[in-house]
Amino acid sequence: EVQLVESGGGLVQPGGSLRLSCAASGFSLSTYGMNWVRQAPGKGLEWLSYLGSGSSTIHSADSVRGRFTISSDNAKNSLYLQMSSLRDEDTAVYYCARYSGYSGALDVWGQGTTVTVSS
Amino acid sequence: EIVMTQSPATLSVSPGERATLSCRASHSISDNLAWYQQKPGQPPRLLIYDVSTRATGIPAGFSGSGSGTEFTLTISSLQSEDFAVYYCQQYNKWPQTFGQGTKVEIK
Repeated sequence: EVQLVESGGGLVQPGGSLRLSCAASGFSLSTYGMNWVRQAPGKGLEWLSYLGSGSSTIHSADSVRGRFTISSDNAKNSLYLQMSSLRDEDTAVYYCARYSGYSGALDVWGQGTTVTVSS
Repeated sequence: EIVMTQSPATLSVSPGERATLSCRASHSISDNLAWYQQKPGQPPRLLIYDVSTRATGIPAGFSGSGSGTEFTLTISSLQSEDFAVYYCQQYNKWPQTFGQGTKVEIK
């Protein structure tokens, strides 16, 4: 079964750092583009960052560029999001999502991990 | 950045009725548009990609249409499990962007 499982969320103070993980199963992460998308409480979806297959290409939203870094470990079949200089407005559920192999749509999503930035 | 605007924000529909959701892009996105369904406490689920292609396992009651900047998601006969929030997403140009969502609620 194709599955994504996020972890690493929690409570962090403003200015702090956190690393999110996304473990993939049922497929090889290295052959798909992968994304991070977040959803603030009661709000819509915000795309954050993309890592191309083979870690060839990275795209990031302006809101997180320079603060968040996407990466992967193919041996662990895992995707990561290193977050630093966290702000109150980064409070959200963070999802990893797979770029489908046939279009730019996101065809597999994890259940999400919650990040709360608060003092 | 391409801005995606969905309307209406909330759509009240009776079970069995048809629902029509709209999504407008600020610039042409060709056919690079997807629709997602999200229920409370769950991640989004891909319904439609490339404007009109249903994702695996999506019933035929869901259909997408449009081109360029104007797009529509139609649910032919609403079932109880279809009441949810629906998002459109463009992947024609970075950054990918989502609409703000349309909530389909029971009338």
